[in-house]
Amino acid sequence: AQSVTQLDSQVPVFEEAPVELRCNYSSSVSVYLFWYVQYPNQGLQLLLKYLSGSTLVKGINGFEAEFNKSQTSFHLRKPSVHISDTAEYFCAVSDGTSGTYKYIFGTGTRLKVLA
Amino acid sequence: NAGVTQTPKFRVLKTGQSMTLLCAQDMNHEYMYWYRQDPGMGLRLIHYSVGEGTTAKGEVPDGYNVSRLKKQNFLLGLESAAPSQTSVYFCASRLGTGVNIQYFGAGTRLSVL
Repeated sequence: AQSVTQLDSQVPVFEEAPVELRCNYSSSVSVYLFWYVQYPNQGLQLLLKYLSGSTLVKGINGFEAEFNKSQTSFHLRKPSVHISDTAEYFCAVSDGTSGTYKYIFGTGTRLKVLA
Repeated sequence: NAGVTQTPKFRVLKTGQSMTLLCAQDMNHEYMYWYRQDPGMGLRLIHYSVGEGTTAKGEVPDGYNVSRLKKQNFLLGLESAAPSQTSVYFCASRLGTGVNIQYFGAGTRLSVL
């Protein structure tokens, strides 16, 4: 069964510093990867997705992620964070072989941007 | 421009009470999903539906029932609520076959005392 690991439950970082949130998934023949952001007391909003093609994907709010098949990783990065980026970030994988494209979510990483 | 709407937003139940959570989407999506979110556990799939009149079990279906009588609505029922069902519940919908994005509602915060 597919699984997703987000090793860091919390990441504190100072404003304007770079950040990387890590995501690893278990191997699969075909896999689609997503990062969602959840601001306090809100639903999940899609940041970016990898379906195929270029391994470097760019999303909203200046975030980007790189798909690395050999390391089964999909780490999220931002070169300079803002206070408004404080939120919880979820990595998700969808297995294309099942036909239902269900998502498996990681446990989330809480990003705290400090002034 | 509603997207996915969940009602109610908050609810407090006593153990043994029943309730229904409603999810409505106005995007003509085929697939709908119910998740629960618990601290340190991410989102876990409860039930899902691949079209009107169909439902299927997800990862954590016990204690819940669902119905999809209309394409735009997906109901999640708790017949006899337990404290272990205290959680935040999210509904999501997706367009159809192929890899599409799931769109999420704002969530329902449920406490079972």
